[in-house]
Amino acid sequence: SQQGEEDPQALSIQEGENATMNCSYKTSINNLQWYRQNSGRGLVHLILIRSNEREKHSGRLRVTLDTSKKSSSLLITASRAADTASYFCATSRFTGNQFYFGTGTSLTVIP
Amino acid sequence: DTAVSQTPKYLVTQMGNDKSIKCEQNLGHDTMYWYKQDSKKFLKIMFSYNNKELIINETVPNRFSPKSPDKAHLNLHINSLELGDSAVYFCASSPGQGFTDTQYFGPGTRLTVL
Repeated sequence: SQQGEEDPQALSIQEGENATMNCSYKTSINNLQWYRQNSGRGLVHLILIRSNEREKHSGRLRVTLDTSKKSSSLLITASRAADTASYFCATSRFTGNQFYFGTGTSLTVIP
Repeated sequence: DTAVSQTPKYLVTQMGNDKSIKCEQNLGHDTMYWYKQDSKKFLKIMFSYNNKELIINETVPNRFSPKSPDKAHLNLHINSLELGDSAVYFCASSPGQGFTDTQYFGPGTRLTVL
């Protein structure tokens, strides 16, 4: 399967701490996106990073991309209870219109 | 106003039945998608439509047929439902073609086949 893998599968931290999630994938990509899914809801787009970019920031989010290692990380700083959700990476490859979600990381932020 | 809406939110039905899930987006986007999320939260794309034309049809059984009457609607019809079809189905839309930009997801339809 070309689906990306994320680790950890589950992460539990205290409010105020930083949370780091990793995504690894198998083929070359054109871009990588991160999405959040609250329990019982649809996915919400967080950030997109292109294959020629190494790092992007958006508020408390920092995403890195290492195409040589075929991996990406999502860092959430100063976490809040409202950040509790599942986080998914998604890779796209324009050749063949390929788009795959990762397996997801379930984040719990304890107040 | 809801950007991407799906109906119904829950669908419980017997094996062998035929059912449809409707999706509408009011964002003026050109591309719409259907995804399946199983019980382990694995998300897989099923179909993608750009301006009413199918541009992706992953290895989905032909019991599943997407129908797009116009670019704001992409409905999913499922024939002869099977137990393994139980999942949450998400509709999404994006401005451009392909996967170059943000997708906006609907709230999902939880399908349970008994």
